[in-house]
Amino acid sequence: GQNIDQPTEMTATEGAIVQINCTYQTSGFNGLFWYQQHAGEAPTFLSYNVLDGLEEKGRFSSFLSRSKGYSYLLLKELQMKDSASYLCAVRDNAGNMLTFGGGTRLMVKP
Amino acid sequence: ETGVTQSPTHLIKTRGQQVTLRCSSQSGHNTVSWYQQALGQGPQFIFQYYREEENGRGNFPPRFSGLQFPNYSSELNVNALELDDSALYLCASWGGGETYNEQFFGPGTRLTVL
Repeated sequence: GQNIDQPTEMTATEGAIVQINCTYQTSGFNGLFWYQQHAGEAPTFLSYNVLDGLEEKGRFSSFLSRSKGYSYLLLKELQMKDSASYLCAVRDNAGNMLTFGGGTRLMVKP
Repeated sequence: ETGVTQSPTHLIKTRGQQVTLRCSSQSGHNTVSWYQQALGQGPQFIFQYYREEENGRGNFPPRFSGLQFPNYSSELNVNALELDDSALYLCASWGGGETYNEQFFGPGTRLTVL
């Protein structure tokens, strides 16, 4: 089975940097995904990691350590519109199932 | 690359009834997944279809069933509705080409069971 853990809530200040951690315990692994979900909307894809290391995409970066079962999403130069839930998800070996964590609700304050 | 649509947007049913939710994904997206998302929680995988065959299933009872059609549309059927089935139901398709590792979500159907 898969178990994904991430903090429930985080608060940060506009213009700052925030790191959202995700740990996972899985029976199989074929990639880790981060999604952003604004209230009342569908999740939107942010990043994908399958090898160890850092993937950078604009203000967002995602890191993966497979040996530690650990990932983080780094958001730089925070903007008010970044207030949303951030979902960590792991894909199984067969590539047929995404298991999501409970999501981290990020509140960005002025 | 977007284009996943779902209908209806909202639905109210009573316990014991049956419901069919619909999804239409982009041409060429052969794999569609369905998720249930309770309020304040992450999406829970229900099942996945590839070329009209179910090829993955989460921990949901058989009263949750699905179909995928050749025209890239799909259905989620839920029989004998229970109060706990109240949730947002999301349909998602895996992209192709450069977006092979991106899953595109539809806006969801909000189901309320009374």
